[in-house]
Amino acid sequence: DTAVSQTPKYLVTQMGNDKSIKCEQNLGHDTMYWYKQDSKKFLKIMFSYNNKELIINETVPNRFSPKSPDKAHLNLHINSLELGDSAVYFCASSRTEGSYGYTFGSGTRLTVV
Amino acid sequence: KQEVTQIPAALSVPEGENLVLNCSFTDSAIYNLQWFRQDPGKGLTSLLLIQSSQREQTSGRLNASLDKSSGRSTLYIAASQPGDSATYLCAVKGADGLTFGKGTHLIIQP
Repeated sequence: DTAVSQTPKYLVTQMGNDKSIKCEQNLGHDTMYWYKQDSKKFLKIMFSYNNKELIINETVPNRFSPKSPDKAHLNLHINSLELGDSAVYFCASSRTEGSYGYTFGSGTRLTVV
Repeated sequence: KQEVTQIPAALSVPEGENLVLNCSFTDSAIYNLQWFRQDPGKGLTSLLLIQSSQREQTSGRLNASLDKSSGRSTLYIAASQPGDSATYLCAVKGADGLTFGKGTHLIIQP
C-alpha cells in the first residue's frame, strides 16, 4: 500500500495547455501539501491545505490551484502551462500536530514543450 | 522566515569511511527536524525524524543529532557503502510548515 500516491509519474505537454496532477494519501493525515523541485533540486512549498485552511506561497502564480475533494486527496491544477513550469512536483501529507513528520509521494515530472 | 543550510553541497568519500553531513537553521522555534534521502529521479524517503525535545535518533548505520538552541543538526553515516550514494536533504518543521535545505550530494566510491 503506497502511503502517498501521485499520478501521473511523468507528464509531457505543450505550452498553453491545462493539466492536473492527482494526489491521494491513505495515512489519515489532516494536512496535504504540494512542493515544487526546480532544476537545481531545491524543494519549495507551493500550497498547504487542511479542511480549514488553504495556505498559498505568495510566489506561486495564480495559474496553479489546488483542489481537495476530500481529506485524502489534494489535486493540483495548472492552467496555461509555461516552459518555466517544467519541474518535479511532489505531494506530501502530515498531521497538523507539530510532532508529526511528512510523508512524500514519488513525484510527477512535468515537462512543458 | 526560516532558512536551512546544508554543508557540504557535495561530498565524495571511499567506501567504508564514516562521514558527517551538516544542517543549520536560522529559527530555533521548530517542532521537529527530518532527514530525507533522494535517489536520482526518485521521490523522498524519510530517514530519521527528531522531535524538538530530542537530542538524537538512530536507525541502523545512521545517527542524527539535534541542537535546537544553536540551530544545528548532523547526520552521521557509519561504514559508508556505495548504496548510500544519494542526495541527503534536511528539513525543519515550524509554524509555517516544512522548510528544506538544498541538500548534500553524496557519492561513495567503491
